[in-house]
Amino acid sequence: AQTVTQSQPEMSVQEAETVTLSCTYDTSESDYYLFWYKQPPSRQMILVIRQEAYKQQNATENRFSVNFQKAAKSFSLKISDSQLGDAAMYFCAYRGSYNQGGKLIFGQGTELSVKP
Amino acid sequence: DAGVTQSPTHLIKTRGQQVTLRCSPKSGHDTVSWYQQALGQGPQFIFQYYEEEERQRGNFPDRFSGHQFPNYSSELNVNALLLGDSALYLCASSYGQGGQPQHFGDGTRLSIL
Repeated sequence: AQTVTQSQPEMSVQEAETVTLSCTYDTSESDYYLFWYKQPPSRQMILVIRQEAYKQQNATENRFSVNFQKAAKSFSLKISDSQLGDAAMYFCAYRGSYNQGGKLIFGQGTELSVKP
Repeated sequence: DAGVTQSPTHLIKTRGQQVTLRCSPKSGHDTVSWYQQALGQGPQFIFQYYEEEERQRGNFPDRFSGHQFPNYSSELNVNALLLGDSALYLCASSYGQGGQPQHFGDGTRLSIL
């Protein structure tokens, strides 16, 4: 069975600085998708960034980028120029290939606080 | 363009009762997934509906059941409620069952007394 582990329950960053959130996963599949979701106190789960396992290039979305290490099964999220609005719970999630359905497997989450 | 909408926002029930939660997917989406998120935890997959059928199910008892309607909206039913069913229930929609990302609603907070 696939698992996702986030080993940092809490992280803190100064406004305008850079922070990296860690995520490791376990799977025997070669084709899969990885996601980072953000959940502010409003509760809505917002997609931050997505990575397809077959792509070697790391995904980027504005201030958000990932470091995808397939052999190490590692998928970290880097937030550059942190803003107060980035404060939230961040979840790493795994989804198998197309024929495995759309089930998302989430990690335990990392609570990010941003200090002004 | 309306996103994923869930109702009600908050619900209080007592042990042994039954509850129905509702979800309308984002416009253009035809697949609905349900997740349970206990306080301080990541969401856990309950099941997924596509073409009005349950396509995939997580490790949840038969007390949890669902339905998808022809307009793609969905219901989650939980019978014989237990204290441990207290959680945030999230609905997510997507197009098809493949690689499209899932979009989440704001959730329904269910409290069991």
